[in-house]
Amino acid sequence: GNSVTQMEGPVTLSEEAFLTINCTYTATGYPSLFWYVQYPGEGLQLLLKATKADDKGSNKGFEATYRKETTSFHLEKGSVQVSDSAVYFCALSFAGGTSYGKLTFGQGTILTVHP
Amino acid sequence: GAVVSQHPSRVICKSGTSVKIECRSLDFQATTMFWYRQFPKQSLMLMATSNEGSKATYEQGVEKDKFLINHASLTLSTLTVTSAHPEDSSFYICSARVAGELFFGEGSRLTVL
Repeated sequence: GNSVTQMEGPVTLSEEAFLTINCTYTATGYPSLFWYVQYPGEGLQLLLKATKADDKGSNKGFEATYRKETTSFHLEKGSVQVSDSAVYFCALSFAGGTSYGKLTFGQGTILTVHP
Repeated sequence: GAVVSQHPSRVICKSGTSVKIECRSLDFQATTMFWYRQFPKQSLMLMATSNEGSKATYEQGVEKDKFLINHASLTLSTLTVTSAHPEDSSFYICSARVAGELFFGEGSRLTVL
């Protein structure tokens, strides 16, 4: 079956530090890949996505590149802010038809950024 | 953007009782909603797909008689945990699909004593 593995947290950084959260996946075929973010007290929000190999998703200074050869979709940000403190989820889905919306999630990584 | 709202955000109940969680799409119509469950320090697991006007489709291993899903209107899906037990304590999250995008509710934390 499909699965997503994220690096274990929590991750604690100082403001302006470089962030990497690793994500690898196992799937039959070529899924779409997503990063979701959950801020305290809020629902999950789509942060970025990539739908095919070598695509780079980017948003709010975060980026991730779909690497088919390493089945990875690592999340990076060059300079984190306190407001980036949240839980980050890597996920995959197969687009099209009834499969779209059925997400397989990683376990989530808690990020805390200190001033 | 589209908003999905869940209610209640937190609920505590006694073992053996039933609890209903609502998932509403506030500014759009959703023919399809999804229910996820999250255990502490674990990922979200898809429980079922809720389709307006028809029976929900449950994922393998999810007890349909235990987790009753009703999607009676285009803006409301409900999850009822029947005869709840402490092992049902979890964080339940719904999402709705519209125009090719997914929107998630804030989640509902259920604690069964």
